[in-house]
Amino acid sequence: NAGVTQTPKFQVLKTGQSMTLQCAQDMNHNSMYWYRQDPGMGLRLIYYSASEGTTDKGEVPNGYNVSRLNKREFSLRLESAAPSQTSVYFCASSDGTAITGELFFGEGSRLTVL
Amino acid sequence: KQEVTQIPAALSVPEGENLVLNCSFTDSAIYNLQWFRQDPGKGLTSLLLIQSSQREQTSGRLNASLDKSSGRSTLYIAASQPGDSATYLCAVSGSGSRLTFGEGTQLTVNP
Repeated sequence: NAGVTQTPKFQVLKTGQSMTLQCAQDMNHNSMYWYRQDPGMGLRLIYYSASEGTTDKGEVPNGYNVSRLNKREFSLRLESAAPSQTSVYFCASSDGTAITGELFFGEGSRLTVL
Repeated sequence: KQEVTQIPAALSVPEGENLVLNCSFTDSAIYNLQWFRQDPGKGLTSLLLIQSSQREQTSGRLNASLDKSSGRSTLYIAASQPGDSATYLCAVSGSGSRLTFGEGTQLTVNP
């Protein structure tokens, strides 16, 4: 049972380059989330999607865009990467919303922006 | 704004000891509280989910309690094992489908 799958696991970018982080879940969950984890800051919500076709900003959305391609897939795009976006990115999903449902996380994508 | 604090930041115990991890939050208007485990270089694994109407949840050697009025939760680990070594995070849910995470307690269980 794969759960939540993220790709790539590691990526190094130069300032100004763009990239997309991919996330897919096979649990038929309605809600999907993108978080970033930084030392001393904890996990912070970037964007979330409560259902297919909808997306909403989280706590730190600036510099990012998202696409809920279908019920399974939720991608995160960095249009012009900055060193401040060096972080570990986690995708998560839940049945229902974070208010009611248990959250399942992917293994993370470690991004370094030089 | 909800703030979640976990104390201590790090804890080292000998194998077999019972231990308690603490989580406090500033806004008692929560829907639920979750405890997660994170191993180095890995994602988060959900351990226990407590709804706001519940007082505690148990899973194996783990027991989590919730006191909304005082803004506190505890995670009790019985008979700790080296395999329990990890970072434990708590998260509380509020409005807007958002979870607020604490920074975690890094637990080391020594053989």
